[in-house]
Amino acid sequence: DARVTQTPRHKVTEMGQEVTMRCQPILGHNTVFWYRQTMMQGLELLAYFRNRAPLDDSGMPKDRFSAEMPDATLATLKIQPSEPRDSAVYFCASGSQGGQLDEQFFGPGTRLTVL
Amino acid sequence: GENVEQHPSTLSVQEGDSAVIKCTYSDSASNYFPWYKQELGKRPQLIIDIRSNVGEKKDQRIAVTLNKTAKHFSLHITETQPEDSAVYFCAASMGGTSYGKLTFGQGTILTVHP
Repeated sequence: DARVTQTPRHKVTEMGQEVTMRCQPILGHNTVFWYRQTMMQGLELLAYFRNRAPLDDSGMPKDRFSAEMPDATLATLKIQPSEPRDSAVYFCASGSQGGQLDEQFFGPGTRLTVL
Repeated sequence: GENVEQHPSTLSVQEGDSAVIKCTYSDSASNYFPWYKQELGKRPQLIIDIRSNVGEKKDQRIAVTLNKTAKHFSLHITETQPEDSAVYFCAASMGGTSYGKLTFGQGTILTVHP
């Protein structure tokens, strides 16, 4: 049963520190999404990639967040410097866009706490 | 951009009753409407989806209806069970050959009392 994996599952850090979250999409999926979930804002799209190329990162604070896909099996989301307001659950999702295949499969999430 | 409104924010029902959650969307170009279920501390999981060329879709106890003219779609759960208790999210996107970007509703906390 193929699944999206994310590491770490939990991260506690202090304000100002760099945070890196990693995602391994399902093999063969060509689209990767990064979402942030908070009680106040719900599920927000931060950025996404198709065939490793960034398509839209308008949901991401550009001054501190960056997202990359160094290869087809790894997507990263970095926050530098982190702030308490970044505390949230960050989900990665992958899918195979094109044709009639639109389902996005979510990873287990990284719960980030910035003190 | 797309905006999705979801109601109600909380819903409490007795086991065996039906539950209905409603969503409206703003962008008439949206053509793919999935529903996700998220249990506490878990990842969102797709439970059913519908495309704009279909008015209704059913899968056992769950069904989704779509009214393109009014730009709203609904999730119907019949014969609810305690294990249906979760947060449900609707979403909308321009799927298919478009980029598949999902815009989510704010979620509905469903509680099914035994």
